[in-house]
Amino acid sequence: QVQLVQSGSALQKPGASVKLSCKASGYTFTNYAINWLRQAPGQGLEWMGWIHTSTWNPTYAQGFTGRFVFSLDSSVSTAYLQISSLQADDTAVYYCAREDYECSSGICDLDYWGQGTLVTVSS
Amino acid sequence: QSVLTQPPSVSAAPGQKVTISCSGSSSNIGRNYVSWYQQFPGTAPKLLIYDNDRRPSGTPDRFSVSKSGTSATLGITGLQTGDEADYYCGTWDNSLSVMLFGGGTKLTVL
Repeated sequence: QVQLVQSGSALQKPGASVKLSCKASGYTFTNYAINWLRQAPGQGLEWMGWIHTSTWNPTYAQGFTGRFVFSLDSSVSTAYLQISSLQADDTAVYYCAREDYECSSGICDLDYWGQGTLVTVSS
Repeated sequence: QSVLTQPPSVSAAPGQKVTISCSGSSSNIGRNYVSWYQQFPGTAPKLLIYDNDRRPSGTPDRFSVSKSGTSATLGITGLQTGDEADYYCGTWDNSLSVMLFGGGTKLTVL
């Protein structure tokens, strides 16, 4: 069965970096994009962007450029999100989710999600 | 403030029907398919409805969607206490080239 398993919670100090992982199984990794989303405490969902798992080309939403980097290790079907220069307002649950490359044609369905990784930024 | 507008909360009694609206614009809902996600506290969102009105296996037919112009509405009939969750609409926005979500609606089954 399709699964996206994310790495465990992280507690980091302001200014530090963190690298989150999202390991896919149960399907052909390169047939689907990996999207990243953020949910701040008590807030709604915010789309951060996606990475093409065949070309490795990332696309970042406005507000998620510079300090946020999407990457892959296709040999282990894993996507990564690295966040640098962490700030207090980066405290959130970060989700990865699968999508079949249809967003730009107007059909944007995130059909499987990881369980989420809580990142807490605090001194 | 979200570009897609949902009511913050709705409530109804068990067995009743409730609707959750999602209002957008011509660059998002007006042009593209809408999906809906269900999120229970402390868990990841789950795809509930896709491609406007299609249900993944596992979504009961008590859940349905209608779409008109720049708005979509999720309807839930025969409400159960297990339906208490947050519900989000989502769609692509052609002008912003981003996936947008509504602010979420908390459903309470009284």
